[in-house]
Amino acid sequence: GIQVEQSPPDLILQEGANSTLRCNFSDSVNNLQWFHQNPWGQLINLFYIPSGTKQNGRLSATTVATERYSLLYISSSQTTDSGVYFCAVVPGNTPLVFGKGTRLSVIA
Amino acid sequence: EAGVAQSPRYKIIEKRQSVAFWCNPISGHATLYWYQQILGQGPKLLIQFQNNGVVDDSQLPKDRFSAERLKGVDSTLKIQPAKLEDSAVYLCASSWTGAGAGELFFGEGSRLTVL
Repeated sequence: GIQVEQSPPDLILQEGANSTLRCNFSDSVNNLQWFHQNPWGQLINLFYIPSGTKQNGRLSATTVATERYSLLYISSSQTTDSGVYFCAVVPGNTPLVFGKGTRLSVIA
Repeated sequence: EAGVAQSPRYKIIEKRQSVAFWCNPISGHATLYWYQQILGQGPKLLIQFQNNGVVDDSQLPKDRFSAERLKGVDSTLKIQPAKLEDSAVYLCASSWTGAGAGELFFGEGSRLTVL
């Protein structure tokens, strides 16, 4: 099956810093989503981005489907950005396949 | 618009007991998914429904897990008998269309602890 690799696995940032999270996938995909899992465990939709670039406030994402990767940018990080960020892809007609996530800690 | 509703939020049981989780998807969403998330890992699909039919249950441990979506709306996931390794968060998700298209939205999850 498809492999979804996220890097880095862990990241510690000072409040106000910027960061880039990466998601590589081993096969072509129809769709890609980025989620933020908050400390209470809920998965919050960030981006639905099979290709191209999208921005939402301090967050933006870019997917280059032909090169099989996606990037999530977080600017001016805040403590509320802490949690786990998951990339998930849809290969063919199968449901979402998740990576192992990037655990982000933002320190005041 | 109401999101995906799940209950209970937390459940603690002893091994060999049974447990059931309930999910109500976003109104109008034809596809419903149950995922299992073990601590420190990404969610893994257990079962996918399209309306009231099963599309994919290849990763559902059918000797102890069962799920149904009788009227094509809400769904129940049951575990009987539970094992220690079933301790996890059970996440329900829904989407407008089937797999391969459409954005998935998740509920808050049901956290199960098996003692």
